[in-house]
Amino acid sequence: NAGVTQTPKFRVLKTGQSMTLLCAQDMNHEYMYWYRQDPGMGLRLIHYSVGEGTTAKGEVPDGYNVSRLKKQNFLLGLESAAPSQTSVYFCASSYRQGNTEAFFGQGTRLTVV
Amino acid sequence: EDQVTQSPEALRLQEGESSSLNCSYTVSGLRGLFWYRQDPGKGPEFLFTLYSAGEEKEKERLKATLTKKESFLHITAPKPEDSATYLCAVQKGAQKLVFGQGTRLTINP
Repeated sequence: NAGVTQTPKFRVLKTGQSMTLLCAQDMNHEYMYWYRQDPGMGLRLIHYSVGEGTTAKGEVPDGYNVSRLKKQNFLLGLESAAPSQTSVYFCASSYRQGNTEAFFGQGTRLTVV
Repeated sequence: EDQVTQSPEALRLQEGESSSLNCSYTVSGLRGLFWYRQDPGKGPEFLFTLYSAGEEKEKERLKATLTKKESFLHITAPKPEDSATYLCAVQKGAQKLVFGQGTRLTINP
């Protein structure tokens, strides 16, 4: 029972480089989310998806793009990384509206130098 | 503006010493309040959902309660394995969770 799997777990980028974070869930959940977690800031929603082929902006979407081509996968892209994007990124998924118990991945620690 | 504030930021207790964590919120259209546990280096793990004032839920040494403006996570006779960061979140709108900053709980043996 894998649940929510994120890859990679760690990454160091140079300013201006691009990368994609992959999130995969095997629970057939409709809803998926990307959060970032910074000290003293709590978890903040970047983008989310309410189903295959859909995406929507969250609280802090600037500098990020997402895609949900398959129901089980949610990709987070950084086109031109900046030091301010140094953070721990969490993917989550949930089953249905009205009961948003969310299942989280283990996180990706990203450092932009 | 929607806000979720948790207090204290950090709490250190002796094993067996009961206490409470607070989560106060100002959110319009609240659809649910959630408690999560987060261990170092891991993602948050779901504990409870509360939907209406007066509701209570229990799990082992933890009990969560909800009023119109705040929620409490009561920890009774804690053990060292209860050490973690506890996160509170409120749901509003379409599946969006607004998280508090968390309370880092340490239980000393």
